[in-house]
Amino acid sequence: DIQMTQSPSLLSASVGDRVTINCKASQNINKYLNWYQQKLGEAPKLLIYNTNNLQTGIPSRFSGSGSGTDYTLTISSLQPEDFGTYFCFQHNSWPWTFGGGTKLELK
Amino acid sequence: QVQLKESGPGLVQPSQTLSLTCTVSGFSLTSNSVSWVRQPPGKGLEWMGAIWSGGSTDYNSALKSRLSISRDTSKSQVFLKMNSLQTEDTAIYFCTRGTRFDYWGQGVMVTVSS
Repeated sequence: DIQMTQSPSLLSASVGDRVTINCKASQNINKYLNWYQQKLGEAPKLLIYNTNNLQTGIPSRFSGSGSGTDYTLTISSLQPEDFGTYFCFQHNSWPWTFGGGTKLELK
Repeated sequence: QVQLKESGPGLVQPSQTLSLTCTVSGFSLTSNSVSWVRQPPGKGLEWMGAIWSGGSTDYNSALKSRLSISRDTSKSQVFLKMNSLQTEDTAIYFCTRGTRFDYWGQGVMVTVSS
């Protein structure tokens, strides 16, 4: 199984900050990498698919990049509604697997 | 609009079988896949398996021996059955659409306890 390792697991930041969340796969996943945001008590929400494609309705402050085994989610200017937990997800190889999550909290 | 909604028992006894239904609207099961994803309380997400638009299935190897996913296209429903439940199967169970997972149900909490 492909292991997805996210870092950091906890990130404290302030409104207006630029933040990056990293996701490292145990093998090449050919850019088949999605990012989700989850708030407490809610289902995950798709932000980015296939590394760098912004889902419809998601603000442009969210962006994704990467290739091979290393991927990054960037929020250019953090807004109050961005706090929550972020998960990466690979759908290149079976079984599809999620990263362990990065909790983004208010500093 | 696209919607998915999970339903099923909130409490299952250990060693018993879990049966969940995902009822979808706003899209066709013959054109889209549906996956099941679960999340133990306070923990991360686990992809369980998928049923494809053509009706074939794929499962997480860790669950494959216990898990079955099927569907009734006439009712726009996808079914999950998992046997030999243990306490570690306590989780919120979600159904979600496609390979992007662009739409999700609200989830159903399942507790495995005697």
